Amino acid sequence: AQSVTQPDIHITVSEGASLELRCNYSYGATPYLFWYVQSPGQGLQLLLKYFSGDTLVQGIKGFEAEFKRSQSSFNLRKPSVHWSDAAEYFCAVGEGNYQLIWGAGTKLIIKP
Amino acid sequence: NAGVTQTPKFRVLKTGQSMTLLCAQDMNHEYMYWYRQDPGMGLRLIHYSVGEGTTAKGEVPDGYNVSRLKKQNFLLGLESAAPSQTSVYFCASSYFRAEAKETQYFGPGTRLLVL
Repeated sequence: AQSVTQPDIHITVSEGASLELRCNYSYGATPYLFWYVQSPGQGLQLLLKYFSGDTLVQGIKGFEAEFKRSQSSFNLRKPSVHWSDAAEYFCAVGEGNYQLIWGAGTKLIIKP
Repeated sequence: NAGVTQTPKFRVLKTGQSMTLLCAQDMNHEYMYWYRQDPGMGLRLIHYSVGEGTTAKGEVPDGYNVSRLKKQNFLLGLESAAPSQTSVYFCASSYFRAEAKETQYFGPGTRLLVL
């Protein structure tokens, strides 16, 4: 069965440090891949998405993600985090006209 | 342009009570969705709608009903609330087609507590 795994429930990073959030998926073909962010008290907002082509995808707010087919991964990165990046991040995977499958989320905590 | 709005923001129910959650979008989107979000789990799709007057079941539809009488509104009903329905409910919408590649736009959520 298709699945999405975000291995880290919480991650704590110092402000200004780099960030990598992990996402692994189990899917039959190359799926569509998404990262969404949920700020406290808000709905989810799309950060970036990958369908095909260049495996390094740029998103909003300085985020990027890299699709690695051999590792079935789509990790989210940011070179230098800001306090405003504190939020919960969700990876989602889909294919064709099927509904998205969502990861359980990773909560990012920023240390001053 | 308000995007996707949800009413109410927070509600407490007693077991057996009923309620309706309202979702409204002003982006002229065809597709609308209701999700629930529980701790340690990803979003799970309850029901969705591919257009005015049509609805379909998602992953966890039991105990919920929906209606889409107007294109801009998508209602989620709980006929007899149970403690297992304590959750945060998100509404989302997307453009014309329900392909997985379509970006979904989310409301701010409704926090429901069933005692």
